[in-house]
Amino acid sequence: DIQMTQSPSSLSASVGDRVTITCRASQSIRRNLNWYQQKPGKAPKLLIYDASSLQSGVPSRFSGSGSGTDFTLTINRLQPEDFATYYCQQSYSTPYTFGQGTKVEIK
Amino acid sequence: QVHLVESGGGVVQPGRSLRLSCAASGFSFSNYGMHWVRQAPGKGLEWVAVIWDDGSYEYYAESVKGRFTIARDNSKNTLYLQMNSLRVEDTAMYYCAREITVTTSWFDPWGQGTLVTVSS
Repeated sequence: DIQMTQSPSSLSASVGDRVTITCRASQSIRRNLNWYQQKPGKAPKLLIYDASSLQSGVPSRFSGSGSGTDFTLTINRLQPEDFATYYCQQSYSTPYTFGQGTKVEIK
Repeated sequence: QVHLVESGGGVVQPGRSLRLSCAASGFSFSNYGMHWVRQAPGKGLEWVAVIWDDGSYEYYAESVKGRFTIARDNSKNTLYLQMNSLRVEDTAMYYCAREITVTTSWFDPWGQGTLVTVSS
């Protein structure tokens, strides 16, 4: 199985900050990497697919990059509604494993 | 509007069985692979199982293999998860999700989840 490792596990940031979350795969997954946002008590929501494609309706302050084993989710100008937990997921091969999550908290 | 609604969760004793359902609407259900993903209280997301659009292929996480069975009824636009020999560690919110595949694959949308609690 492909292991996905996110860092950091949590971070504190202020409104307006730029936030970067990294995700590393245990082997190359090419661009088969997705990012989801989950708020407390809610289902995960797709943010980024195919490593860097922005899902329709997602604000442009979210962006993704990377290929192979190393990926990044960047949130520019953090907004109050962005405080949530973020998960990466590989879809290169089953099982479609997730990272352990990164909780973005208010500083 | 594309919509997934899970049902069937509840409190069950260890060793017992439960069947979850996921009702799909707003899209051609029979054209999409479907997945179950779970989340234990306070924990991260764990992928559970997948079934292809025509039901010809299934794959399971090692943690549920041999105990859980994923199935679908395309005539009813419904996905199922039959959970047997339940363990305390199966306690989680269970989500169904549609797989979209173009050059790569992703999950969208997800249902709101149904809570399974395994406890004596």
